[in-house]
Parts: sequence; structure tokens; C-alpha cells
Amino acid sequence: EDQVTQSPEALRLQEGESSSLNCSYTVSGLRGLFWYRQDPGKGPEFLFTLYSAGEEKEKERLKATLTKKESFLHITAPKPEDSATYLCAVQAGGNEKLTFGTGTRLTIIP
Amino acid sequence: ETGVTQTPRHLVMGMTNKKSLKCEQHLGHNAMYWYKQSAKKPLELMFVYNFKEQTENNSVPSRFSPECPNSSHLFLHLHTLQPEDSALYLCASSQEPGYGEKLFFGSGTQLSVL
Repeated sequence: EDQVTQSPEALRLQEGESSSLNCSYTVSGLRGLFWYRQDPGKGPEFLFTLYSAGEEKEKERLKATLTKKESFLHITAPKPEDSATYLCAVQAGGNEKLTFGTGTRLTIIP
Repeated sequence: ETGVTQTPRHLVMGMTNKKSLKCEQHLGHNAMYWYKQSAKKPLELMFVYNFKEQTENNSVPSRFSPECPNSSHLFLHLHTLQPEDSALYLCASSQEPGYGEKLFFGSGTQLSVL
């Protein structure tokens, strides 16, 4: 059974304090790993797709990386508007279904 | 309107009521999904429709009944729900289900069952 574990569950950072969120996964044949951002009262918003180990993607202050067992979402010099819950999901080979983690709730303090 | 629109945003219903959730996507996508999001639990896939045909029913109780009249509209009909069904119900769409397809989500319907 595919599994996704995200850590930490919650993270509070000062504005400008860089850190990383972790997504560990167990899947038979990874087809894709996805990062989404979810603001309170809204649905998740797509950020990145990673397909193979070693791949990296960047968007503004966010950078996602992928190994064979985990993915990291690095946030550099975050701002208060980066506060949100970040969700990780995996798609296994031969399966269209995404398996989501429970998310990391990130709070950036001005 | 753009993106994925869900109505209503909030719904309170009794256990004997019948109600429907509506989803409309303006992205020209061929696949639509219903997800359930409960506190401290992962997003849970309920149903998948591809070109109006249901391709997945993730062991969802029969008190939830989906309907997809066309590729742009999706409904979730609710009847005799239980308090544990209280959750955020999210609709999503994608070009089609498959490899690396990213999902576009609506803002959800926050459902409370009394």
C-alpha cells in the first residue's frame, strides 16, 4: 500500500528564517510526486510535480527536491504570505489515484 | 468565471435530509473528482469521472451518490448522512486522469451533519 508521511506536522518560522519540509514516501513504482499549497478556507493549489530522483523545481522562494525515498520543500527567506498548509502526494505506477500526506502547517511570523 | 467553482460553500444538514453539492469547471478538462478532507487526515479520493464515465468508486458508502451529466459539471447527492460525514468536500478537475496530471481544486463545501 502506498504511504506518504509529512513532517513536521506544524512549523513556525520568523520571517526570513529558511527551513525545509519533509515528505517521505513508500510506493511501488513512482510516477510522480506532487506538492500543493492550501490556504485556510480554500482548496489545494498545485505547486510542483517531480518525476525522478535528482530532479529539482523552483518557484519564487520555494524549491522542491526528490530522492528515491523522500522529497523536500525548501523555503528560503519566507514571508508571512507563505503561511499555508503544504501537502505532498504521490502517484504510483499503474494507478491514477494520488495518495496524499496529512500536510505541514507552516506559519511565518512577521 | 474561471477555474473550479463549488456551491454551496457551507452546508448544515440533519441526518434525514437530502442535499446536493455542485461543482462546475471552466477549464475544458475531461476528468473530475470528489475528495473528502477531514481534520488531521489525508485527502481521501471518493469518485473519479473521465469523459463523464465513472472510473473509480473508492468504496464510498451508498449515502453518497455522484452524478456527472457532462464534462463540466459534477454533483454529489447526499442522503441520510452520519455525523462522521462532516468534512470539507472538494471537487477537482484535470485534463484527464493519468501520469503526472496536476489537479485543479475548487474551494470546497464545508459540510456539517447534525
